[in-house]
Amino acid sequence: KQEVTQIPAALSVPEGENLVLNCSFTDSAIYNLQWFRQDPGKGLTSLLLIQSSQREQTSGRLNASLDKSSGRSTLYIAASQPGDSATYLCAPSGPGFQKLVFGTGTRLLVSP
Amino acid sequence: NAGVMQNPRHLVRRRGQEARLRCSPMKGHSHVYWYRQLPEEGLKFMVYLQKENIIDESGMPKERFSAEFPKEGPSILRIQQVVRGDSAAYFCASSPRLAGEGELFFGEGSRLTVL
Repeated sequence: KQEVTQIPAALSVPEGENLVLNCSFTDSAIYNLQWFRQDPGKGLTSLLLIQSSQREQTSGRLNASLDKSSGRSTLYIAASQPGDSATYLCAPSGPGFQKLVFGTGTRLLVSP
Repeated sequence: NAGVMQNPRHLVRRRGQEARLRCSPMKGHSHVYWYRQLPEEGLKFMVYLQKENIIDESGMPKERFSAEFPKEGPSILRIQQVVRGDSAAYFCASSPRLAGEGELFFGEGSRLTVL
């Protein structure tokens, strides 16, 4: 059974800092991994999708890396802004590739 | 192309009543997933459906919960005889392919409160 852990559980930083959010998963037989953000009372917004054959993906100030063999992914946020405040969730798909398994997230607060 | 549409956004039911949650996937998406998020907890997989078929319901409680995705119309998650422990946010996601092969897109969720 896939289990996903995200560290830290919460993070509070001043605006402008570069951040690293960590995600680890127990079963490396995954097909891809998605990073999402969730704002309070809202749905999930997809940030990045990394296929298992890829090492990293970039979108704007976001960069996600994947080390499938060690069961780890990191989300790097450059030059953080107050608008980045949200809960960040990682979700590997598989094994069985029929569903995503979610961690409990990292709650990020970026203060002006 | 509209996103995944869920309704109602908020639903209040008394214990013992029925709750019906609807999900219209994105256009062209034939794979639908339902997740539940309890207060202060992560998202838990409930069921995966393709048109007219339940593929994986391993996360669905054995009693009172059912899901369908008919040939025409939205996917429905039905909860009979609701109890207070059913209070949660229910999210639907859709994909044009299996979750392992492509990106999953989520709706805004339906928040169920059981009094």
